[in-house]
Amino acid sequence: AQSVTQLDSQVPVFEEAPVELRCNYSSSVSVYLFWYVQYPNQGLQLLLKYLSGSTLVKGINGFEAEFNKSQTSFHLRKPSVHISDTAEYFCAVSPGGEAGNMLTFGGGTRLMVKP
Amino acid sequence: DTGVSQDPRHKITKRGQNVTFRCDPISEHNRLYWYRQTLGQGPEFLTYFQNEAQLEKSRLLSDRFSAERPKGSFSTLEIQRTEQGDSAMYLCASSPDYGDKNIQYFGAGTRLSVL
Repeated sequence: AQSVTQLDSQVPVFEEAPVELRCNYSSSVSVYLFWYVQYPNQGLQLLLKYLSGSTLVKGINGFEAEFNKSQTSFHLRKPSVHISDTAEYFCAVSPGGEAGNMLTFGGGTRLMVKP
Repeated sequence: DTGVSQDPRHKITKRGQNVTFRCDPISEHNRLYWYRQTLGQGPEFLTYFQNEAQLEKSRLLSDRFSAERPKGSFSTLEIQRTEQGDSAMYLCASSPDYGDKNIQYFGAGTRLSVL
């Protein structure tokens, strides 16, 4: 079984400042890792994914994340945020290997970008 | 590619009534997933189909819940004798058998309110 912990439920930040949203996971097997973003009254949109290879992955909208196996973390970063980045962000894992596996989500982090 | 479509977007019902939601996956996506998201939480896995076969069900899916995907295309999720605790956003996702087979694409969800 897998579990995901998002350490911050809310992160307030000023526009153009850098931000890091933290995610830690636990699993007895290898995993795939994902970050999704959810805008109000909308579904989830994939920001980025780690399946294998380079531990630094780049996604859409200027976001990037680094997979750290020893610390079982997959923190999301952006060097300069915009007002439009205000949303709920979810970290998720699935067992590595065959496709079709369910996603296990963290509780989410609400990013609030202030002008 | 019109994305994952869910209908209705909102449903208000009285306790004890039955409700049914529909999900149309992205065309040619063989895998279809249902998740439930309660307020302030991350999505939780409910069930998964590969084509018309229901391959996995969460223990969250009580006997009041039933999901079908009769021809391997659209899926329905029915909740019988709804309870106030069923109030949540019900999300559908789909993924292909090829290419980005580990990526789940989400619909906008159906928000259920049980009065």
